[in-house]
Amino acid sequence: AQTVTQSQPEMSVQEAETVTLSCTYDTSESDYYLFWYKQPPSRQMILVIRQEAYKQQNATENRFSVNFQKAAKSFSLKISDSQLGDAAMYFCAYRIHGTSYGKLTFGQGTILTVHP
Amino acid sequence: EAGVAQSPRYKIIEKRQSVAFWCNPISGHATLYWYQQILGQGPKLLIQFQNNGVVDDSQLPKDRFSAERLKGVDSTLKIQPAKLEDSAVYLCASSLRIAGSDTIYFGEGSWLTVV
Repeated sequence: AQTVTQSQPEMSVQEAETVTLSCTYDTSESDYYLFWYKQPPSRQMILVIRQEAYKQQNATENRFSVNFQKAAKSFSLKISDSQLGDAAMYFCAYRIHGTSYGKLTFGQGTILTVHP
Repeated sequence: EAGVAQSPRYKIIEKRQSVAFWCNPISGHATLYWYQQILGQGPKLLIQFQNNGVVDDSQLPKDRFSAERLKGVDSTLKIQPAKLEDSAVYLCASSLRIAGSDTIYFGEGSWLTVV
């Protein structure tokens, strides 16, 4: 069974600074996808960034970037120039590649606080 | 483009009562998911539909939970009878295809409190 672990229950950062959220996962699959989702108090899960396991290049989306280490099964999220609107719960998630498997497996989440 | 719609947003019931949640996915999305998110945890998949057929319901407590997706569009999740441990946010999500790379879009969730 696949598992996703986020070892940091809470993180904080000063506005305009950089913060890194950690995620590790366990799988026997070779082809899969990894995601970071943001969940504000409204509870709607918003996709932040996606990484295909077969790609060596780390994904980036504006201020958000990942450090994907496939051998170590590590997938961290770096938020640069943090903004007050970045404050939320962040979830790391995993999904097997394939035409018949759409299940997301989530980690426990990391609460990010941004201080002005 | 309208997002995933869910109702009701909030529900408080007593244990042993029943409750139903409704979900309307994004138009044209063939795959629909129900996730359960207990406070302080990540969401857990309860059931996944492809059109109106069930793809995965391995984590659905079938003695009390049921779900259907008639005509392959809207879906209803029912809990009967509810237990205290069912208190959670029930998130509905949809995706255009079932393929692993496809983006899954989430609704805002239905908050259930069982007292």
